[in-house]
Amino acid sequence: DAGVTQSPTHLIKTRGQHVTLRCSPISGHKSVSWYQQVLGQGPQFIFQYYEKEERGRGNFPDRFSARQFPNYSSELNVNALLLGDSALYLCASSSGRGYEQYFGPGTRLTVT
Amino acid sequence: AQSVTQLGSHVSVSEGALVLLRCNYSSSVPPYLFWYVQYPNQGLQLLLKYTTGATLVKGINGFEAEFKKSETSFHLTKPSAHMSDAAEYFCAVSVGAGGTSYGKLTFGQGTILTVHP
Repeated sequence: DAGVTQSPTHLIKTRGQHVTLRCSPISGHKSVSWYQQVLGQGPQFIFQYYEKEERGRGNFPDRFSARQFPNYSSELNVNALLLGDSALYLCASSSGRGYEQYFGPGTRLTVT
Repeated sequence: AQSVTQLGSHVSVSEGALVLLRCNYSSSVPPYLFWYVQYPNQGLQLLLKYTTGATLVKGINGFEAEFKKSETSFHLTKPSAHMSDAAEYFCAVSVGAGGTSYGKLTFGQGTILTVHP
């Protein structure tokens, strides 16, 4: 079975631009979570979606938004990019909210 | 709120030696605990988890961890290090149903493991 997939793998954007990151969960998984991992740090929780509804939000500004589609795939959107948004963005899926999460390979975002 | 502290940002061992990576957690409700491994330029791979039941849990690649409630610890061990174990390891805590942070993982800062020949 395919694992969690994310696209694109790498992305370079300019300050002030907008970016959309995509995630496809493991087949059968209904929960998707997003994490930001800045170089040298552990991942930080951004959002969790379960059954297409937002079920949790981390301490991130409103420039960050996300949604989950009927097929349980998800998009993370970041508006008005800042240099500090440069990070590895990880998507994780799980079969339910309290179950173990399986991570994708991540999208490396560089903001210049 | 939950938090995780990993003692030692870098640990270096010789091949064949014991691996011990330390993790202490803080949680106001019974925690779920996880260890993940991250190889360079990759995502995180689940090594093992503790939710309820047996406090000594075994994971992949010969790793195991013991949940000690009295010490609020969940240290990761492996009896004999292999060169392929060189990576960054993250301890994470979550809470079960009913907790306000249900399903959210809170990670430690990570420990980079180096294995010398």
